[in-house]
Amino acid sequence: DQQVKQNSPSLSVQEGRISILNCDYTNSMFDYFLWYKKYPAEGPTFLISISSIKDKNEDGRFTVFLNKSAKHLSLHIVPSQPGDSAVYFCAALLRGKLIFGQGTELSVKP
Amino acid sequence: GAVVSQHPSRVICKSGTSVKIECRSLDFQATTMFWYRQFPKQSLMLMATSNEGSKATYEQGVEKDKFLINHASLTLSTLTVTSAHPEDSSFYICSASPANNEQFFGPGTRLTVL
Repeated sequence: DQQVKQNSPSLSVQEGRISILNCDYTNSMFDYFLWYKKYPAEGPTFLISISSIKDKNEDGRFTVFLNKSAKHLSLHIVPSQPGDSAVYFCAALLRGKLIFGQGTELSVKP
Repeated sequence: GAVVSQHPSRVICKSGTSVKIECRSLDFQATTMFWYRQFPKQSLMLMATSNEGSKATYEQGVEKDKFLINHASLTLSTLTVTSAHPEDSSFYICSASPANNEQFFGPGTRLTVL
């Protein structure tokens, strides 16, 4: 039972344009959502998070939007840069445990 | 700050042998450490949660006798895969958490069982 889903396994974007990564969840008890960036053969690194009581959080080029009624969140990266190419994981926090989505591989082309 | 290391980064072993993976928090004390497993193109799946000095709590479907976890100090946790089989081949990642719930991830260990 996949409680956190990232339905797009990959996304390709041109440098300078916006990247939008999507994530859906099923459990309304999740109280915090996080996005992680992961390079091959490395552990995930924290990118940005949002509390369930907020609908938007912005940090530089990264913005996370949360739509609780739709149980959907998205990560916007603008402008996208080639160095953003990586696998992005959406995760939800429940009672101290992280539940991850399957990841979306972002490729930003120069 | 908040650096977590794992050793080894890669291990290849024969079927039936046991493999120990170490996870260390280098510059902070970790109240809790987590062990995850990731199969190719899949999400990180939480295997177990360990608190220093107490027994690990395993997620449903994870065999505690096969995946032995020891959290002997506030900076070290070990995962031992006992009697490893090819289906145990995976990417194992640990994370360490100080008291504030934030998790810092190690670089992972690639286990290949022949």
